[in-house]
Amino acid sequence: KQEVTQIPAALSVPEGENLVLNCSFTDSAIYNLQWFRQDPGKGLTSLLLIQSSQREQTSGRLNASLDKSSGRSTLYIAASQPGDSATYLCAVWGSGNTGKLIFGQGTTLQVKP
Amino acid sequence: GAGVSQSPRYKVAKRGQDVALRCDPISGHVSLFWYQQALGQGPEFLTYFQNEAQLDKSGLPSDRFFAERPEGSVSTLKIQRTQQEDSAVYLCASSKREGTADTQYFGPGTRLTVL
Repeated sequence: KQEVTQIPAALSVPEGENLVLNCSFTDSAIYNLQWFRQDPGKGLTSLLLIQSSQREQTSGRLNASLDKSSGRSTLYIAASQPGDSATYLCAVWGSGNTGKLIFGQGTTLQVKP
Repeated sequence: GAGVSQSPRYKVAKRGQDVALRCDPISGHVSLFWYQQALGQGPEFLTYFQNEAQLDKSGLPSDRFFAERPEGSVSTLKIQRTQQEDSAVYLCASSKREGTADTQYFGPGTRLTVL
């Protein structure tokens, strides 16, 4: 059974710092991986989707990497801003399934001005 | 059109009541998913529709949970005889194509509180 773990559960950094959020999964036979952002009381906003054949994706100050063989993904946020404060969730698709996502518990990030 | 919408945004029910939660996916999206998110946890899959067909309901926690999408667009998640452990945020997501690995777009969720 696929399990997704995110470390750390919470993170507090001063504004301007570069930071890395970690995601690990137990079954390396994933199809794709997606990173989301969730603001309090809101739904999920898709940040980056990495296909299984890719090793990384970039969008603005965000860079996500994928290493299937080791069962890991990282989300790198450059020059963090207070507006980046949110919960970040990673999710994987298992191969051959109907498209359901399996989520980690999330990392709650606070960027202090 | 606009993004995924859900209603109501908040629902308070007394234990034992039935509730119905609505999801309006992005127009033209083939796939629709329901997830349940407990406080402080990541969302957990409940069920999946491809058009009007419910292809996966493996995540529904009990037979009190029922979902439908009769015309392949709007979906309703119904919970019968609600229990306190049903308190959670219920998220709906849609994606353009069928099957695996397409970007899923989420609605704001319905927060259900069972007293």
